[in-house]
Amino acid sequence: GDSVTQMEGPVTLSEEAFLTINCTYTATGYPSLFWYVQYPGEGLQLLLKATKADDKGSNKGFEATYRKETTSFHLEKGSVQVSDSAVYFCALSDKGGRSYKLIFGSGTRLLVRP
Amino acid sequence: DVKVTQSSRYLVKRTGEKVFLECVQDMDHENMFWYRQDPGLGLRLIYFSYDVKMKEKGDIPEGYSVSREKKERFSLILESASTNQTSMYLCASRSGDRAAHEQYFGPGTRLTVT
Repeated sequence: GDSVTQMEGPVTLSEEAFLTINCTYTATGYPSLFWYVQYPGEGLQLLLKATKADDKGSNKGFEATYRKETTSFHLEKGSVQVSDSAVYFCALSDKGGRSYKLIFGSGTRLLVRP
Repeated sequence: DVKVTQSSRYLVKRTGEKVFLECVQDMDHENMFWYRQDPGLGLRLIYFSYDVKMKEKGDIPEGYSVSREKKERFSLILESASTNQTSMYLCASRSGDRAAHEQYFGPGTRLTVT
C-alpha cells in the first residue's frame, strides 16, 4: 500500500540556519502531498501542499516541491526561527474506500535554539 | 475559521471502562476522522465517516467503535479500555472528497488508561 517515509528527528538547529526535512513516498497513483505542522499542545495544521508533479507549495517561508521522478517532497526553509519549533508531518492523500484519506509519515521534531 | 473541538484535553480512565471521546466541527463538513498519534508512528487512522450514520474502518479499528448521529458530531468509543490504548487521539474534518482538500484538526485528547 501507499506509504510515507520521513527523516527521524529530532532536528536541532540554531536560529537563522537552513532547514531540510526529507520526505519520500510510495504510491500507485498520483497523490496530493502535504506538510502538516503540530505546535506544542496543539492539533495539526496544514503548512503547505502540492497536487501534481513539479508543483511547489509554499507558506510562512517554507517550501516543498513535488518530485515525481524521485518520489520526494522535501521541506525547506532558508532561515528558521525559534517559533518554528514543532513537529512536522509529511502526508499523502490516498483514495481508499469511499473517501480520500491521509497517510502520514512518522513526524520529525524540530528544535530551534536562539 | 474552521473550528474542530474535542470534549477533553486530558482524560484518565481505568482498564475495562467504557470511554467516549467527542468531536464537534462547525463548518458543515461531510467527512470526519479519528486518528491516534503515537511517538515514532505518526498518525494512524482508526475510523472515518463520510456522512451521517455512515462509517468506514481505518487502519487500526480493533477495540474501537464510532457513532455519527449528527453531521457536526463524531464520537469515538472504547468499549473496554486497555492500557495499550493510552495515546493521543486527534479528530479531523474535511469538506468534499478531493485529494487536495485539507483536513482540519482538533487539539487532541491525551488519554491515559491505568
